[in-house]
Amino acid sequence: EDKVVQSPLSLVVHEGDTVTLNCSYEVTNFRSLLWYKQEKKAPTFLFMLTSSGIEKKSGRLSSILDKKELFSILNITATQTGDSAVYLCAVVPREKLTFGTGTRLTIIP
Amino acid sequence: NAGVTQTPKFQVLKTGQSMTLQCAQDMNHEYMSWYRQDPGMGLRLIHYSVGAGITDQGEVPNGYNVSRSTTEDFPLRLLSAAPSQTSVYFCASRTGQGAYGYTFGSGTRLTVV
Repeated sequence: EDKVVQSPLSLVVHEGDTVTLNCSYEVTNFRSLLWYKQEKKAPTFLFMLTSSGIEKKSGRLSSILDKKELFSILNITATQTGDSAVYLCAVVPREKLTFGTGTRLTIIP
Repeated sequence: NAGVTQTPKFQVLKTGQSMTLQCAQDMNHEYMSWYRQDPGMGLRLIHYSVGAGITDQGEVPNGYNVSRSTTEDFPLRLLSAAPSQTSVYFCASRTGQGAYGYTFGSGTRLTVV
């Protein structure tokens, strides 16, 4: 059975801090790993990772995949209150996404 | 471009009632999926479709039916609502070509009493 585990479950930091969110997975026929940000409503797409060692970057957010050790990390530098959200990791074994339970990030001003 | 549209946004049902959650996308996406999101459980796949006329079960299909008569629409039917189906439901779609980033609808919050 495909499995995605995210850690920590919850994280509270001060504005300006840097955070690292973790996602480990066990899946057959791995194709890609996706990161989403979920605020009050629907998840919004952040990154898709398919190859090991290639960092994806978008502003203060970056992510990298290690297909040998079966994990990915999402880094957020110089955090802002608008970064407060649940961050979801999902893997794509075939056509179905399998999600982790998410990391709830809270940024204190 | 509307993206993925879900209706209704909120719904309260009595146990045993049936209803249909609507999902429509205007991006000509081939793949569409329904997820439910419960506290501490993450997003779990109910049913999915890889094209018009083709559907398949996900992780938690019991109590739900789907059909895909057109590319645009993917309704989710609750046959006989139960309190265990109280949840937030998300519909998502993506193109069949290359990228795997799904676009999500804004969700339907369903309460079964």
